[in-house]
Parts: sequence; structure tokens; C-alpha cells
Amino acid sequence: GAGVSQTPSNKVTEKGKYVELRCDPISGHTALYWYRQSLGQGPEFLIYFQGTGAADDSGLPNDRFFAVRPEGSVSTLKIQRTERGDSAVYLCASSLGRDEQFFGPGTRLTVL
Amino acid sequence: AQKITQTQPGMFVQEKEAVTLDCTYDTSDQSYGLFWYKQPSSGEMIFLIYQGSYDEQNATEGRYSLNFQKARKSANLVISASQLGDSAMYFCAMTQVPLYSTLTFGKGTMLLVSP
Repeated sequence: GAGVSQTPSNKVTEKGKYVELRCDPISGHTALYWYRQSLGQGPEFLIYFQGTGAADDSGLPNDRFFAVRPEGSVSTLKIQRTERGDSAVYLCASSLGRDEQFFGPGTRLTVL
Repeated sequence: AQKITQTQPGMFVQEKEAVTLDCTYDTSDQSYGLFWYKQPSSGEMIFLIYQGSYDEQNATEGRYSLNFQKARKSANLVISASQLGDSAMYFCAMTQVPLYSTLTFGKGTMLLVSP
């Protein structure tokens, strides 16, 4: 596809479970970003990849959150021991270096 | 640290009229970029317009223009000739320049366009 894709579109899980959220960036985009958008708020930065490495993970709220991008393309955001406060829309974006970011449709995570 | 403030939770406008969405920002950086994104109910963030802090001209993209007043630290979005499809959440955001483009967003303004 031409745009950023994210799977699943919706994820419902129980408190304490582990979840993985996937992002497929636009082909050739070297930079990849994860944001979290809580209800009624703007997106908040979580982590940024340049190629395979996490260039900035200062937005990750705690050590339950982890993200990888092993081949410099697809990225997975991993959340361990989920809590109800983790419920939000998780947005992924990609860009060609420092240019405009293109966003995916997001994954809506609900922790019961 | 960078901060974006959008003081209008909601705005109403009639079709074909112009509307201004307010955005003020705070940063200690000398170089920065300002963005506006549209988020329809589908959830995807759609890029609308960009203004660099050293750009002398206000940015325009079709029906969108950015009223950049650097001394006031404001970057208001003006939408001319509103259309029903403009109903959405609108977010103002900023980045550091020339570093990487991590975006800091405001809380957004919900725009409703009526017939």
C-alpha cells in the first residue's frame, strides 16, 4: 500500500496481559515515530527510530513499554503487564529523514 | 521544552465562511517548525500546512493559510470557504529544527461546519 499501515486496528485486552502493535511505514522512509493519543488529547511522542536504532525513546512512560525495528522497516511496539491507563490510540508515523511525517490510522487499545 | 496551546475546544462555522483556529506556542529554540494537522473521525492525522520559524512569508496551501506572528508566538490556521468535509479535529504542532522532527502537539480544536 502507499500509506502507513497499522495492525490491528482495534485491540481489547485484559489488565496484566502483553500486547504487540505493528506499524508498516511507507516504503523507503528511514524515520519512524510512535505516538500515543489519549481521549481528548493531542498525540504524545513515545519513541523515534532512525533506521534500525531507537534515536530517542525519552517519551516511553516506563519500562513496560518497548519498541523494535529490527530491519529498519516494520516496527513493533510492545507493552508488558498492561494497565487500564494504557488505553489509548497508538499512532505510528514515518518520514523520509526530517521531512513531513505521514501518519497511519492508529491502533485503538482498550485494557479492561 | 516546547509547548503548544490551543484555547478553543470547539468552533462552529457555516459552510462557505472563513474560520480561524488559534494556536500559541512556547519554545526556547531559535529554529523551529510549526504544523497543522487535521484528524477526521477515522482517526488518521492529515498534514495540512507547515511554517518554518525563519520563513518570511506566511504559508498557504489551497484553502489553508497560516497566520504566523513570531513576536506573539502565534500560528493561527485560517480556513477559507469552509466545506462540510472540513468538520474534524485540528491540531497545531511544532518541532525542533534542524534536529529530527518529533512533534509536540496541542490538545486540538473540534471544528463543526454546518450547511
